[in-house]
Amino acid sequence: DGGITQSPKYLFRKEGQNVTLSCEQNLNHDAMYWYRQDPGQGLRLIYYSQIVNDFQKGDIAEGYSVSREKKESFPLTVTSAQKNPTAFYLCASSSGRDYEQYFGPGTRLTVT
Amino acid sequence: AQSVSQHNHHVILSEAASLELGCNYSYGGTVNLFWYVQYPGQHLQLLLKYFSGDPLVKGIKGFEAEFIKSKFSFNLRKPSVQWSDTAEYFCAVNAHGNNRLAFGKGNQVVVIP
Repeated sequence: DGGITQSPKYLFRKEGQNVTLSCEQNLNHDAMYWYRQDPGQGLRLIYYSQIVNDFQKGDIAEGYSVSREKKESFPLTVTSAQKNPTAFYLCASSSGRDYEQYFGPGTRLTVT
Repeated sequence: AQSVSQHNHHVILSEAASLELGCNYSYGGTVNLFWYVQYPGQHLQLLLKYFSGDPLVKGIKGFEAEFIKSKFSFNLRKPSVQWSDTAEYFCAVNAHGNNRLAFGKGNQVVVIP
């Protein structure tokens, strides 16, 4: 079954801790993306990667970091510098620039 | 950078009513246009897309959208909604040749049986 896996579905952390969200795809897509979804705000792009070992900041990259060591994997770290980390995080992938993006099921992160 | 506007964030309608959701974008160049849908508890999934060609695009589940270049719009329509159309709908745009997809804030649609 081809698709995008995000784990865990729910994640709880204490303020001041870094946390890493997993995203894996077996669609053989070159490009991967991380979005943050807040109620009434739509989806906002955090980081994206067009190829392995390369990534670019999106619109709200502050307080986040990523790596792209393998084509299949694009983990997102929410650092303690992110002022408002509680949100729903969505990972996506696509074949390239002019193709639709496919989305994973998301991880809901709660920081208290 | 492109931006996307969706109005009437909350829409409530009865089954069999017609639905139209507006989407306007700001970008002067060639664009790719998308409508995504998020059913309760499910993945965000593609409803329909426009890259080029016929500006009237048909998608899944009886939805269609029309690209009007002069109005920078890509409105979504369905002539007769069902209870199962209850979902959040997002319009998204990217410039041709650009990975960055800009999303609108979404329309929360509730269909009353």
